[in-house]
Amino acid sequence: KAGVTQTPRYLIKTRGQQVTLSCSPISGHRSVSWYQQTPGQGLQFLFEYFSETQRNKGNFPGRFSGRQFSNSRSEMNVSTLELGDSALYLCASSLAGRQGAQNEQFFGPGTRLTVL
Amino acid sequence: KNQVEQSPQSLIILEGKNCTLQCNYTVSPFSNLRWYKQDTGRGPVSLTIMTFSENTKSNGRYTATLDADTKQSSLHITASQLSDSASYICVVSAKGNRLAFGKGNQVVVIP
Repeated sequence: KAGVTQTPRYLIKTRGQQVTLSCSPISGHRSVSWYQQTPGQGLQFLFEYFSETQRNKGNFPGRFSGRQFSNSRSEMNVSTLELGDSALYLCASSLAGRQGAQNEQFFGPGTRLTVL
Repeated sequence: KNQVEQSPQSLIILEGKNCTLQCNYTVSPFSNLRWYKQDTGRGPVSLTIMTFSENTKSNGRYTATLDADTKQSSLHITASQLSDSASYICVVSAKGNRLAFGKGNQVVVIP
């Protein structure tokens, strides 16, 4: 079974631009979560989607948004990019469970975003 | 203050030696605790998961312990190998929909 895939793997943008990142979960997984990872802050939760609905949201500004399609694939969009948005963006999928359950999350390799 | 604190932030160990990583948390009510291994340039991979009633769980040369009373967990790496060089992240789940992440222990194994 193929793992979680994320595209693109690397991205360079300039301040003020917008970006869309894509995540394809493991086949059969209905929950997709997005995380931002920086050296100083570690992993920070952005949002979780389940059956095309945002189920949970972290403490990020409205410039960060996402959506999930009927095939469970998910996209994340960041508008008006800032230098501080430079990070590794990770997507994780799980079968169905809520974050607090034992339902294991499987992470993709991430998209490395650099904002100049 | 972060709800999950990991120590040491980084360490260097000789190949073949053992090491122990610490994770202290304040998350409540506790549901489960996971240790992830993240190789450079890759996403985290789950090593172990423990619930309240479990105090030890092994995965090969990795052994995790949990003391739910003191809210402490450790990850012990036995006979380290070069491939153990990675970041180890402690993630604590609260009952409900909350996850709290530690910032990771960066381990470098040298020959």
